[in-house]
Amino acid sequence: NAGVTQTPKFRVLKTGQSMTLLCAQDMNHEYMYWYRQDPGMGLRLIHYSVGEGTTAKGEVPDGYNVSRLKKQNFLLGLESAAPSQTSVYFCASRPGLRVNEQFFGPGTRLTVL
Amino acid sequence: QKEVEQDPGPLSVPEGAIVSLNCTYSNSAFQYFMWYRQYSRKGPELLMYTYSSGNKEDGRFTAQVDKSSKYISLFIRDSQPSDSATYLCAKPAGGTSYGKLTFGQGTILTVHP
Repeated sequence: NAGVTQTPKFRVLKTGQSMTLLCAQDMNHEYMYWYRQDPGMGLRLIHYSVGEGTTAKGEVPDGYNVSRLKKQNFLLGLESAAPSQTSVYFCASRPGLRVNEQFFGPGTRLTVL
Repeated sequence: QKEVEQDPGPLSVPEGAIVSLNCTYSNSAFQYFMWYRQYSRKGPELLMYTYSSGNKEDGRFTAQVDKSSKYISLFIRDSQPSDSATYLCAKPAGGTSYGKLTFGQGTILTVHP
């Protein structure tokens, strides 16, 4: 049982490049979330999903897109990366609303030059 | 105003000290609060959660909620170097939650031997 995994762990992009971050969970959780973490800002929600085939915007969705084609995977895309998207990205999952806890992945460190 | 405000510190204490970490919140609609611990270059992990009805104790850790002042606290007794981490308070997000959480900025704690 690997829990929540994220791929890649590190990435450096040039401005304007695109990339996709992959989040996978093997716990059969319904809910999945993408956050970014910046110094002094805490964790801010980018997008989330309440089940396979669903996505919704969070607090800071601009410049990102997401897809949840399979229950276990939640993809975060950057179509045209900007230096302001330099951050650490965390994915989290949650079984359902009866369980309060979100389970986090190890993070992806992204630098946009 | 953010729903949850937290002093980012950093906070440095000697081993054995009692540590007090604090957050204030602005929306009283939800009745439980959470503390996550995040070690350097790792994802956050749930440390404790408490409903807004007093204290909850778990070993050296005590979570406390003061509804009248909208204040939540985490106390660490007999602090250890292994407690060095970032501590994030969290509460359910306002509006239609879908399990979303709002996090404070995080307090960086260092316990030195």
